[in-house]
Amino acid sequence: DTAVSQTPKYLVTQMGNDKSIKCEQNLGHDTMYWYKQDSKKFLKIMFSYNNKELIINETVPNRFSPKSPDKAHLNLHINSLELGDSAVYFCASSQVRGYNSPLHFGNGTRLTVT
Amino acid sequence: GQNIDQPTEMTATEGAIVQINCTYQTSGFNGLFWYQQHAGEAPTFLSYNVLDGLEEKGRFSSFLSRSKGYSYLLLKELQMKDSASYLCAVRGSQGNLIFGKGTKLSVKP
Repeated sequence: DTAVSQTPKYLVTQMGNDKSIKCEQNLGHDTMYWYKQDSKKFLKIMFSYNNKELIINETVPNRFSPKSPDKAHLNLHINSLELGDSAVYFCASSQVRGYNSPLHFGNGTRLTVT
Repeated sequence: GQNIDQPTEMTATEGAIVQINCTYQTSGFNGLFWYQQHAGEAPTFLSYNVLDGLEEKGRFSSFLSRSKGYSYLLLKELQMKDSASYLCAVRGSQGNLIFGKGTKLSVKP
């Protein structure tokens, strides 16, 4: 009965490769997010989707492309991976209608680019 | 611009009380959240404040002053398991959470 699940948990790959991270939520939320947490533990928003529509697209290289096939799924595809992409990527979801609705986070995907 | 400040690290003793401060300057404000994150795990929700004042939840309390752009998280009767990072976050005008860099709390026996 996991609320927000993302796969894989660990991802080790070489520079230049293309990889995807999948995220699914079963909370019935209408908004999903991708956050990046760097080595200094700073959590930064990358993307936000509301009912499959892109709402937030922060200054992220266009090698990163989110895809939301439905409001319960938000996947992240990364092309031409670079060393600086190494980080923990967290998927999250919330119900936007209530501003007091907290974000629920998945367990994170630790990406290591070698 | 967006700016959320909190101390980088704090140390406290088991059984004591600790207060973690957070100051913010953001272009939009729709509430302030506190999250706890243990090493290697996901952040988990602790508290939410949108009106001025104190919200109490068991051993944890959170305070907000909107006019001062200030919040604090108060942890009472500290336990070893409270050793974690505590993240202050403001909900902006687009609904996402803007996080501070977190405060790493170490609880010592």
